[in-house]
Amino acid sequence: AQSVTQLDSQVPVFEEAPVELRCNYSSSVSVYLFWYVQYPNQGLQLLLKYLSGSTLVKGINGFEAEFNKSQTSFHLRKPSVHISDTAEYFCAVTVSYNTDKLIFGTGTRLQVFP
Amino acid sequence: GAVVSQHPSWVICKSGTSVKIECRSLDFQATTMFWYRQFPKQSLMLMATSNEGSKATYEQGVEKDKFLINHASLTLSTLTVTSAHPEDSSFYICSARTRRDPSYNEQFFGPGTRLTVL
Repeated sequence: AQSVTQLDSQVPVFEEAPVELRCNYSSSVSVYLFWYVQYPNQGLQLLLKYLSGSTLVKGINGFEAEFNKSQTSFHLRKPSVHISDTAEYFCAVTVSYNTDKLIFGTGTRLQVFP
Repeated sequence: GAVVSQHPSWVICKSGTSVKIECRSLDFQATTMFWYRQFPKQSLMLMATSNEGSKATYEQGVEKDKFLINHASLTLSTLTVTSAHPEDSSFYICSARTRRDPSYNEQFFGPGTRLTVL
């Protein structure tokens, strides 16, 4: 079975500072990896995804993530955050042969301070 | 494009009553929708897969008689929590599946419905 671990429940950071949100996964089969963002009172929005190919994937709003198979990680990064990036971020995984089954991490609350 | 709405966004009900939550795909057709449940500070847990015109598929441990799902059209799925109890209080999120990317089935999520059972 697959699982996702987001080690940090909250990440406080000052505006314009870099940030990394950590995600580790467990799976014995090939997986696809996703990062979603949830703003208050809104649905989950896809930030970026890794299906295959280049391990460095770029998403919306200046975010990027790197797939590291040996470390089973898919950390999300942004070189300079804005106040508007304050939100809940979810890492998710699905197996390549059944992409309907999304397994989510517990989420990381990114709080950006001025 | 690919907007999913949920109604209501917040509902409070008395213990023992039933509550219906709607999930609509506003600008696309979705033969498959999903219902998730999210407890505070926990991840989203898939409850069931809703297929248009057929019975829903429930995840292990989810009571199908308690959480009734109806997917009567290509744009609407409903989740009815029957005889609700305080332990059913939670955040319920739906998603609708599209096939815009041939590599995988992408899900678009609704804003969620917060259910509080008194």
